[in-house]
Amino acid sequence: EAQVTQNPRYLITVTGKKLTVTCSQNMNHEYMSWYRQDPGLGLRQIYYSMNVEVTDKGDVPEGYKVSRKEKRNFPLILESPSPNQTSLYFCASSLSPGVTEAFFGQGTRLTVV
Amino acid sequence: GESVGLHLPTLSVQEGDNSIINCAYSNSASDYFIWYKQESGKGPQFIIDIRSNMDKRQGQRVTVLLNKTVKHLSLQIAATQPGDSAVYFCAENRNYGQNFVFGPGTRLSVLP
Repeated sequence: EAQVTQNPRYLITVTGKKLTVTCSQNMNHEYMSWYRQDPGLGLRQIYYSMNVEVTDKGDVPEGYKVSRKEKRNFPLILESPSPNQTSLYFCASSLSPGVTEAFFGQGTRLTVV
Repeated sequence: GESVGLHLPTLSVQEGDNSIINCAYSNSASDYFIWYKQESGKGPQFIIDIRSNMDKRQGQRVTVLLNKTVKHLSLQIAATQPGDSAVYFCAENRNYGQNFVFGPGTRLSVLP
């Protein structure tokens, strides 16, 4: 089954404690991205990757890092989480942005206290 | 900044009626639009897309209309069912860009 898998689904952490949210896709998509979803603001892109070792900032990259060492994986790293990063995070992949739709993971609800 | 927005945050319809969800976009350079459905506890799911060289596209029980003159997009759902209850997002993409811009979403509630 074609899917995008995120882990964990839920995470509560404390300010400043580094964390990683993993994302994996099994569709051999070159393009992957991370979004955060906040009430009333819709989905906003954090980072995206066009291919292995190619990443770039989206609209709200501050406080986040990503890496793309393999085509299927695109982890999101919060080096020093802060409460304003409490949000619902989605990973997405697509065959070709702007040409085909994105497939989304189930989401990771992160709470930073 | 430029963004994609929605006219109504919530919409309630009777089961069996048709639903119309609207979306306004501000960038005339946008050339690809998608409607997503997000059910509670899930990620957004693709419903239907349309390119700027079209003004209408139909799927199963859904139709998307694009009016480039007024920069307006709508999603029509025929014979709305309880399973259609969800938040619906429109998203725009500009010139094969790397970023889809999403609107804040409209919550559709289907009344029995």
